[in-house]
Formats: sequence, structure tokens, C-alpha cells
Amino acid sequence: LAKTTQPISMDSYEGQEVNITCSHNNIATNDYITWYQQFPSQGPRFIIQGYKTKVTNEVASLFIPADRKSSTLSLPRVSLSDTAVYYCLVGDHGTNTGNQFYFGTGTSLTVIP
Amino acid sequence: DAGVIQSPRHEVTEMGQEVTLRCKPISGHDYLFWYRQTMMRGLELLIYFNNNVPIDDSGMPEDRFSAKMPNASFSTLKIQPSEPRDSAVYFCASSRTAGTGILSYEQYFGPGTRLTVT
Repeated sequence: LAKTTQPISMDSYEGQEVNITCSHNNIATNDYITWYQQFPSQGPRFIIQGYKTKVTNEVASLFIPADRKSSTLSLPRVSLSDTAVYYCLVGDHGTNTGNQFYFGTGTSLTVIP
Repeated sequence: DAGVIQSPRHEVTEMGQEVTLRCKPISGHDYLFWYRQTMMRGLELLIYFNNNVPIDDSGMPEDRFSAKMPNASFSTLKIQPSEPRDSAVYFCASSRTAGTGILSYEQYFGPGTRLTVT
């Protein structure tokens, strides 16, 4: 099981770029990296997913180094509405095991005015 | 689409009572997941189904918990008897297949059921 390690919490001012790093030293060859966002009193929401190098969508970018032992979620110019908990998941979705859905406690991001 | 629907949104019950949580997944999704979230343990997967068949229930904490999916549009999570330590938010999520035997990475979560057992 490729467990993940994230900082428990982070603070950032509005308008800044925020980078949240996730460590996954035991990532397997077939594992993908997925990030979710959870607002208070809501269920998690898919943000982005990648395998290697860089992935970008309208919400965030995901940077994955060559060794894939870590990944960084980058949120450009955060606003107060980006205050949420961010989860990093690692797993091979080609296997039928629940081990790939390990959310853990995530990183609580607070955006300050 | 209405998204994943869960009921009730809030449930308060006394210890020893039976609790049934309900979920309607997004139409066309063939995977359904039940999660539990607490401050201490975070978000934990309890069980998930593929085409109404339970695939992995290793996260179910004990025999007091059971889950069923009688058809593609309905699932229940039952706790009998309930205990105060079962107090948590229970989420249902659904997902579709991305390819043969491959689960999509994108799960859609419901609003959750906040369960309080006194």
C-alpha cells in the first residue's frame, strides 16, 4: 500500500500561489496520483490526477518528479473560497482493492484575507 | 443530473438502535462507495460495490455494519446495534468505469449523513 504523507495544515494570503506536497515513497509502477478537495460540510471533490511530469487543468497544476516519490499540488492565486482540506491519493485503479482509496486526514488550507 | 443523493442528512439515535443510511448513485455509474469521516481518523473507505456486487469490505469496522446494493440505483448502510463511537459523517460516492476492469479516478460524493449516537 502506497501510503501518503501530507502536512496537516497550511496558511496562505489571498492572491498567493500555494503548493501542497505529498510524499508517497512506496508508489508502485502502475499507481496514479489523485487529488481531492473538501469544503466544510461537503463531500470531497476531484481536482486533478496524473502519472508523471506535469498536469494542468482550469483549477490546479500537479507536478510529479521523475522518481514519483512525491507530488505537488499547485493552486495559483488562491482566494478565500479555496479554504478547504486537500487530499492526496495514490493507487492503481486497475486492481479491485480498497487500498487505493486511502484519503487519510489531508492538508487543511486556510486562506487569509 | 442530481448528483449522488443521500438520506437522511442528519440522524440522531440512541445507543442500541438500528440505523439505516441510504444512497442513490449517479445514473450510469457502476461503482458505489461508502466512507466514514471523523476528526480522529479522517476519511475511511468502508466498502465498495461494482455492478451491485461488493468488491472490498475490508474497511467495515465490525459485524454491526452491513451494506447492500439491491439494484444499480440504491444502496444501504446499516448499523445494528449502533454505538456512540459510530458517530461520524457517512459519505456515499459513485464512479464509472474508465475502461475494462479499470475504475475511473473521479468519484462523485454525496452530501453525507451526519450520524449522532447518544
